[in-house]
This record gives sequence, C-alpha cells and structure tokens, in this order.
Amino acid sequence: SQTIHQWPATLVQPVGSPLSLECTVEGTSNPNLYWYRQAAGRGLQLLFYSVGIGQISSEVPQNLSASRPQDRQFILSSKKLLLSDSGFYLCAWSVEETQYFGPGTRLTVL
Amino acid sequence: DQQVKQNSPSLSVQEGRISILNCDYTNSMFDYFLWYKKYPAEGPTFLISISSIKDKNEDGRFTVFLNKSAKHLSLHIVPSQPGDSAVYFCAASSREGGKLIFGQGTELSVKP
Repeated sequence: SQTIHQWPATLVQPVGSPLSLECTVEGTSNPNLYWYRQAAGRGLQLLFYSVGIGQISSEVPQNLSASRPQDRQFILSSKKLLLSDSGFYLCAWSVEETQYFGPGTRLTVL
Repeated sequence: DQQVKQNSPSLSVQEGRISILNCDYTNSMFDYFLWYKKYPAEGPTFLISISSIKDKNEDGRFTVFLNKSAKHLSLHIVPSQPGDSAVYFCAASSREGGKLIFGQGTELSVKP
C-alpha cells in the first residue's frame, strides 16, 4: 500500500531564515506530487505540482520554490522566510485523479 | 475567481440525523469531483468521489449527489456521528487541467 511522509511535523523559524520541507512517497512509481498551503481559516492553496523528476510547475508567485530530485521525493524550500509564509503545508500524491495527502507540517514564522 | 465554492462555513447537526454539505462550481469543464475530510493539524483524508457521467455515488454512510445542470454537488452523511465532526472540503478537476480545485471548506459539528 502507498504511504506518504512529511517532516518535520512542526517548525518554528525566524523571519529571513531558510526553509526545507521534505515529502516522500512509498509504494508507488512515477506519482504526480503536489505542495499545498492552508493558511489559518482558509482553504487549500496549490503551490507547486510535479509530473516527474525535475519537472516543477508553480501556481502562485512567491518566495518559495520546489524541487523533485528523485521520483518519490518532493522538497519545498525558501531562501528567506516571510511572516506571511506561516501556515500548514501539505504534500500530496496522485496517480489518477484522486489525491492523497500527507500529515502536514505546521510552520510558524516569527 | 473562485471556481469551487462552499457557501456554508459551518454546519451543526444532531447525532443520528442527516448532514448535508453543499458545493457549487462554475467551470463546466470539471468532470471529476471529490470530498475530503480534515481534522485539525492533520492532512485531508479522501472520502468519496464522483465522475460527471454519474449523478450519485454511495459508500456506506456517505453519498455524493451531482447535479450537472445546476453545477452543484452535495455530500450526505446518514446517520451522522460525533466522529464525523471535521472540516469537509469539496474539490473538482478536469481531464484537461489535471489539478484539483478546492472549496473553502465547511466545518461540521455533530452534537451527541
């Protein structure tokens, strides 16, 4: 069966510090991978998606970036965090139309 | 431009009764619809989906209805249980776009 892992579960970072969130998927090959953010009291906003190694599409302009160095690994990064980057970050995978989500990372930027 | 809308931010239902969560969409190209359930500080869990070639799909206590002419779908939970208390998101996609568009969510509270 497929499983998706995200770490860390929670993170508190100062403004201007770098960020690296990692997501890995097990039990499937060549999945589509996604990064979402849920700000407080808001819905799910798609940030990036990837259909293969090295292929990244960005949905919204921001100071975040994503990379997919391996088939089942998806990384969300920032060189300098902003206060507005605080939120709940979710990784998801899909093979067909249904997406399956990881447990999420709670990021607080102070 | 919000293509998927959940106009009720919250819903309160008595245990054992029916919960009806509603969702409207504007893009007629959407052909696949999903419902997710989300607890605080956890990732959304897939509940049930429906293709545009159907108007109803049932899985246990959960039934999703699709009205394409009205661009409306709903999730029925019968009977409602306290453990159903969570935020419910509807989502839609089209084969052309491939991405899911989510509504803003409805927080369901089932009272014992």
